[in-house]
Amino acid sequence: KQEVTQIPAALSVPEGENLVLNCSFTDSAIYNLQWFRQDPGKGLTSLLLIQSSQREQTSGRLNASLDKSSGRSTLYIAASQPGDSATYLCAVEYGNKLVFGAGTILRVKS
Amino acid sequence: ETGVTQSPTHLIKTRGQQVTLRCSSQSGHNTVSWYQQALGQGPQFIFQYYREEENGRGNFPPRFSGLQFPNYSSELNVNALELDDSALYLCASSSGGYSSRHTDTQYFGPGTRLTVL
Repeated sequence: KQEVTQIPAALSVPEGENLVLNCSFTDSAIYNLQWFRQDPGKGLTSLLLIQSSQREQTSGRLNASLDKSSGRSTLYIAASQPGDSATYLCAVEYGNKLVFGAGTILRVKS
Repeated sequence: ETGVTQSPTHLIKTRGQQVTLRCSSQSGHNTVSWYQQALGQGPQFIFQYYREEENGRGNFPPRFSGLQFPNYSSELNVNALELDDSALYLCASSSGGYSSRHTDTQYFGPGTRLTVL
C-alpha cells in the first residue's frame, strides 16, 4: 500500500529559527515528490517539486531533499517568518495520482 | 494565462441529496484530477479524467462520478450524500495523462467546501 507519513504533525517555533519537516513514503517507485503549502480553508500552493532522479531543489529560503532509496524527503525552511505559518503537505506522485501525507501544521511566533 | 477555478466556493446539502461541483482547468491542460480533503487530513485521490475519459480511480464508491467536457473542464457528482462526504474538494489540472501514464505538474484550484447536514 502506498502511504506517506509526515513528522511532526505540528510545530511551533520562534521567528528566525531554521526548521526541518520530514516526509516518508512506503513505495519508492515514484515519479516525483512535491511539497505544498496550504493556508486555512484554502487550496494548495506548490513550493518545490523534485523529480525522482534529483536529490534536491531550492527556492529562496526553502530547500527540499529526496532520498528515494530510503523513502524519505525533508523540507528545510531557513530563517522562519510569521508569514510561513501554514500547513505543509508532502505528496508523492505514483503514475497519474498524488498520494499525500496528513501534513505538518507550522506556527511561527513573532 | 488563467489558473484553475472551481465553483461554487461553499455548499451546504443534506444527507441523501446529490451535488455537482465544477472545475475549469488551466489553459493548455487536458487532464483533470479530483481530490477529497477531510478536515485535518491530506487530500485523497478520487479520480482523473484525460480527454473526456476516466483515467484512474481511487478508493471511492460509485456514487462519486465525474465528467470531462471537450473544453477539458470537469464536473464531480456525488449522489446519496453522507455526513462523511463533508470535506474540501480540490480539482487539479495538468497536461499529459493517459498516453504517458504520468502527468506533468498538477496545478490546484482553491477548492469547494461541501458541508453535509
